[in-house]
This record gives sequence, structure tokens and C-alpha cells, in this order.
Amino acid sequence: AQSVAQPEDQVNVAEGNPLTVKCTYSVSGNPYLFWYVQYPNRGLQFLLKYITGDNLVKGSYGFEAEFNKSQTSFHLKKPSALVSDSALYFCAVRDGYNQGGKLIFGQGTELSVKP
Amino acid sequence: SAVISQKPSRDICQRGTSLTIQCQVDSQVTMMFWYRQQPGQSLTLIATANQGSEATYESGFVIDKFPISRPNLTFSTLTVSNMSPEDSSIYLCSVGGLNTGELFFGEGSRLTVL
Repeated sequence: AQSVAQPEDQVNVAEGNPLTVKCTYSVSGNPYLFWYVQYPNRGLQFLLKYITGDNLVKGSYGFEAEFNKSQTSFHLKKPSALVSDSALYFCAVRDGYNQGGKLIFGQGTELSVKP
Repeated sequence: SAVISQKPSRDICQRGTSLTIQCQVDSQVTMMFWYRQQPGQSLTLIATANQGSEATYESGFVIDKFPISRPNLTFSTLTVSNMSPEDSSIYLCSVGGLNTGELFFGEGSRLTVL
């Protein structure tokens, strides 16, 4: 069975500092990994994905994520946080070998960036 | 990416009534997905809607409570039937690629049941 864990309910960082939002996953086959962001009263916006290739993937708004197979992790990172990055972040996984496999979401991490 | 429009964006409903949420996509898609996001929680897949066939429901969700229509390749509806306060949630329509799996979401329909 697939699962995703986001161990931190909330992450607080100061503007200009680097940020990391953690995600670990479990999937029986080949993992397809995703990050989404949800701003207040909005739907989810796709940020980035890892399917294959380079372990470091770059996405929207300056975010990047590193796939680590041995640690089964896919942490989201940004070198310099902005106040406007404050939002709810979701990690998601699906089994790449299963074309009909559904996307499983983590519980979400609330990111708060203070000036 | 697809542009997905949902109606209504929010509604306040009385217990025991039903509400139908509409989802319109700007391109033809094979599969459409309906998710529920309860307050302070993550997203849970309700069902997958394929054009021309019955929707496939996830464990814990049944057709009588959440009937779905998929009349064509750009449109779907989800009805929340006989509502109770526990149904207060954001309901999200999404579409995505079968090969890469990323989903694109509508803005959601925020439902409050009194």
C-alpha cells in the first residue's frame, strides 16, 4: 500500500532564510512524487514532480525537491523564503508501475514565513 | 495544464438537503477525480469518473451518498446527498495525466452544512 508522511504539522522560518518541508513515502513499485501548495481559500497548485532522472528537481516559485531513494524521502526546499510562501504544502505519491494508481496525499505542512 | 472551473465556489446548506457541484474543464480528459478535504485535513479521493461508464468509488464512499455524472469529456458533477454537518468540507475536482500522474485542481467548492 502507498503512504506519505509529512512529519511536521507546521514549519516556521524567517524571511530570507532557507526552508525545508519534509516528506517520506512508501510505495511498492516505482514512486512518482509530487508537491502541491494550497493558499487560503484556494485549490491546490502543482509545484513540482519527480518521475525519473536527476534526483534534484526544480519547480515553480523557486522551489526544488530532492529525491532520496535510500531514505525514501522527497523534501521540499527553497534557498530563501518569502512571506508570500506562507501556505499549506502537500506531498503526494503514486505507484508509477500502476497506471491506474491513485494519488495519495500527506497530511500537509503549514509553512509560516515571518518578516 | 488544464483550466478547471467549479461551481459553486461555496455554499451554506441545510441538513437533509442535497447539493450538486459542477466541474468544467477546458480540454477533453479521460478521467476526472473528485476529492474531499475536511477541515484541517488532507485530501481524500471520493471517486474516479470516466466518461461513458459508472464512477469508481473509494472505500468509505458510496454512490447513493455521492452520485456522480460524467456526460462528456469536459464536464462532471458530484452530488452530496442528504447532507449532514459532517459533510462540511471542500470538494475538489481534478484532472490529470495517466502517464505522469500529476493532477490539476479546480478552486474547490466549500460546503458548510448547518
